[in-house]
Amino acid sequence: GIQVEQSPPDLILQEGANSTLRCNFSDSVNNLQWFHQNPWGQLINLFYIPSGTKQNGRLSATTVATERYSLLYISSSQTTDSGVYFCAPGTGTASKLTFGTGTRLQVTL
Amino acid sequence: DAGVIQSPRHEVTEMGQEVTLRCKPISGHNSLFWYRQTMMRGLELLIYFNNNVPIDDSGMPEDRFSAKMPNASFSTLKIQPSEPRDSAVYFCASRFGRYPTTTNEKLFFGSGTQLSVL
Repeated sequence: GIQVEQSPPDLILQEGANSTLRCNFSDSVNNLQWFHQNPWGQLINLFYIPSGTKQNGRLSATTVATERYSLLYISSSQTTDSGVYFCAPGTGTASKLTFGTGTRLQVTL
Repeated sequence: DAGVIQSPRHEVTEMGQEVTLRCKPISGHNSLFWYRQTMMRGLELLIYFNNNVPIDDSGMPEDRFSAKMPNASFSTLKIQPSEPRDSAVYFCASRFGRYPTTTNEKLFFGSGTQLSVL
């Protein structure tokens, strides 16, 4: 099956800093989504982005499917951004999502 | 919309007992997924339904696990008999989607069921 690698595995930021999270995947994909798992365990869908660039407030994402990677940008980070960020590319006729191991982000005051 | 609704939120049971987890997908969504999350294995897909039909159950760990979707608004995941290694958070997720397909829409998760098997 598809391999998904996320980096960095852990990240500590001061409030207000910017960051870039990376997701590399091993196969062609027809779907890619980014999720945030907050400290209470809830999984929130941030982006559906099989290709191109999207922005939502302080967050933006870019997927370059031909080069098999996606990036998630967080600008002016806030403590509420803390949690784990998952990349999940989708493959096959069911476009099933395979989750990476995540990037654990901690934003401090 | 209330989102994906799962019950119970927490379940503590003893080894050998039957466990049933429940899920109500978002109204209008026709695809439903059951995932399991553990520290060791991360988020794993267990089974995928499209239009109430199981499409892919290759992730179901063994025969002790079974899932049903009797109608568009309800699904169950059953473990019988349960074992301590089944302890995990079980998530249900839904989306609108076609099968087969090469495109899809956003996947929305429920709050999960924290299962502890003693």
